[in-house]
Amino acid sequence: GAGVSQSPSNKVTEKGKDVELRCDPISGHTALYWYRQSLGQGLEFLIYFQGNSAPDKSGLPSDRFSAERTGGSVSTLTIQRTQQEDSAVYLCASSLANYNEQFFGPGTRLTVL
Amino acid sequence: KNEVEQSPQNLTAQEGEFITINCSYSVGISALHWLQQHPGGGIVSLFMLSSGKKKHGRLIATINIQEKHSSLHITASHPRDSAVYICAVLSGGGADGLTFGKGTHLIIQP
Repeated sequence: GAGVSQSPSNKVTEKGKDVELRCDPISGHTALYWYRQSLGQGLEFLIYFQGNSAPDKSGLPSDRFSAERTGGSVSTLTIQRTQQEDSAVYLCASSLANYNEQFFGPGTRLTVL
Repeated sequence: KNEVEQSPQNLTAQEGEFITINCSYSVGISALHWLQQHPGGGIVSLFMLSSGKKKHGRLIATINIQEKHSSLHITASHPRDSAVYICAVLSGGGADGLTFGKGTHLIIQP
């Protein structure tokens, strides 16, 4: 079946603009994770959804970051007033439940000029 | 917060060699993942394990929960195994997501 998909694959934006990143998890996967991979920080966890709810948002880097998930499926990660340090690859992963193997999407490469 | 350490950071070997990559972590976990990332490519999950040993083709992963240590072995290595191998741990109930090591950059020369 289809894997995790993310869109767009690449996004170039100007500093101060808002961006929205989308993740389509594997059908039936209730757990969804957002991660960020940047040159300076490596891979870091941002937020986790079980169904539509995110129990802990403390992993988000700042209050400019927000995420939601609707219908237990698609998730969007929104970054407001982007800064150059937001440039990174944003990865989404999903799993059947929160203890199961995670399957990663191809990522969205965000460049903030 | 769990600290995940991998070694070596870089490894260059000849085709056919037996490869070992090590991972240690500081706090008890519910599961450990070994991930593979090719240059410019996405992340692929190789193994998820919480005890013992798993084998898939030429890849073997082991974990020692008491010692908080895991190893990834590649037998009969091949140039197509060249990639970054990342150890990641899942703590507690999974709500914190994975905590990642910095990765091991493996190059297999023909």
